[in-house]
Formats: sequence, structure tokens, C-alpha cells
Amino acid sequence: DTGVSQDPRHKITKRGQNVTFRCDPISEHNRLYWYRQTLGQGPEFLTYFQNEAQLEKSRLLSDRFSAERPKGSFSTLEIQRTEQGDSAMYLCASSLGQGISHEQYFGPGTRLTVT
Amino acid sequence: AQTVTQSQPEMSVQEAETVTLSCTYDTSESDYYLFWYKQPPSRQMILVIRQEAYKQQNATENRFSVNFQKAAKSFSLKISDSQLGDAAMYFCAYRGGSNYKLTFGKGTLLTVNP
Repeated sequence: DTGVSQDPRHKITKRGQNVTFRCDPISEHNRLYWYRQTLGQGPEFLTYFQNEAQLEKSRLLSDRFSAERPKGSFSTLEIQRTEQGDSAMYLCASSLGQGISHEQYFGPGTRLTVT
Repeated sequence: AQTVTQSQPEMSVQEAETVTLSCTYDTSESDYYLFWYKQPPSRQMILVIRQEAYKQQNATENRFSVNFQKAAKSFSLKISDSQLGDAAMYFCAYRGGSNYKLTFGKGTLLTVNP
């Protein structure tokens, strides 16, 4: 088991372009989370999946953002019509359950720069 | 809404010395969990230590221990015998008992001097 992986690690895009990030959780984990981390801040919750169902979306996730987890395995996060304010590190995490022993394991993140 | 405050943007410690990182939180829930995460430069975040709010005993993990003061809503991290590899950004995080999302503080950047 190689842990949570994210692709790409870095993405530079021009304002107005669409971007898509991928997250592969630890294989047996049924819960998957997306967080956003801007410079000088801690990660902020964006959305959460249990298997393929998206159970909660933060107010931070505007209509330009969409996340999917089609088969309850990997997840994608798409940002349409990117803005400079979208520049951040996008972190994915997964867990086996919700209890205290089911900690969230984080991936290395995708750093997005919008020029 | 729950909030987590880390009042020390940066801290430094000499190798082999002890350092304490501060964290306070605000919540109206009685059942919750607290965590310290470590984020080394350009590397992924890893869990350092966790504490269940219903447990009075402070959690310890090798050189890492916490001072959990529930009434004061304080959750500090003590690192003993600091090592160069401890240098990282440390985040305090909160999770409600019936919740799943983590609420993080802004972090404390720890430098370990040889």
C-alpha cells in the first residue's frame, strides 16, 4: 500500500482555464475528503465522500467546483473558469471509517497556480 | 462554528531540548477529538498524536505528549529531545464527535537548530 496519491503534484494554468485533479485513496478506505490550503493558513474542508456518495460540500466550494468519486475509488476535483484566488494547495485525504482510530491519511497535495 | 487558534506562527528549539506548541479551540460540543498534524516541507501531512475529549489522561506518543485542559479548551503539544527531523509546520485540528471533517488552526512553523 503506497498511501494516498494525487496527480498532478503541480499545475500552472491561465485564468479562465479548466483544471482537473485526481486523488487515489488507500485502497480499502471508503471515505475521501478534499481540503484546500492557502499560503499561511491551515487546510480548509471542501467536500466529503462516503463510497461514491458526496455527503457534504463546504460553502467554499463554489459552482465552479465539482467533485466526483464515480466508483467509490478514486476521486476527481474539477475547477472551471479558474480565478487567481483559486491558487492554493489542494489536499486529498482518506479514512476507513469515522471513529477515532480511523484517522485521515493525507496525500502530498496538488499545488495550483493560476496566472 | 468551531474554531482552532494557534497563537505562535513560528517557534524555534535547540536540538535535544524541549518545546511546547500552543493551541486553543472553541466549541459547544461535549464529544470531540483533537489532533496534532505535522507537515514537513514539500511532504505530506502526517498525524502526530490524537486525544479524545472524554479521556482525562493526556495522550503520549514517544517524544510527543499533549497537555489537554478541557475546561480551558487548551491542547498544547510538547516535543521532548527535539530532533532535526522534527522541523516542520505543525497544525492543531479539531473534529466533532459526530462529524468527519477536520478544522485546522493556522499552524506553527517549528525550526530545530543544531
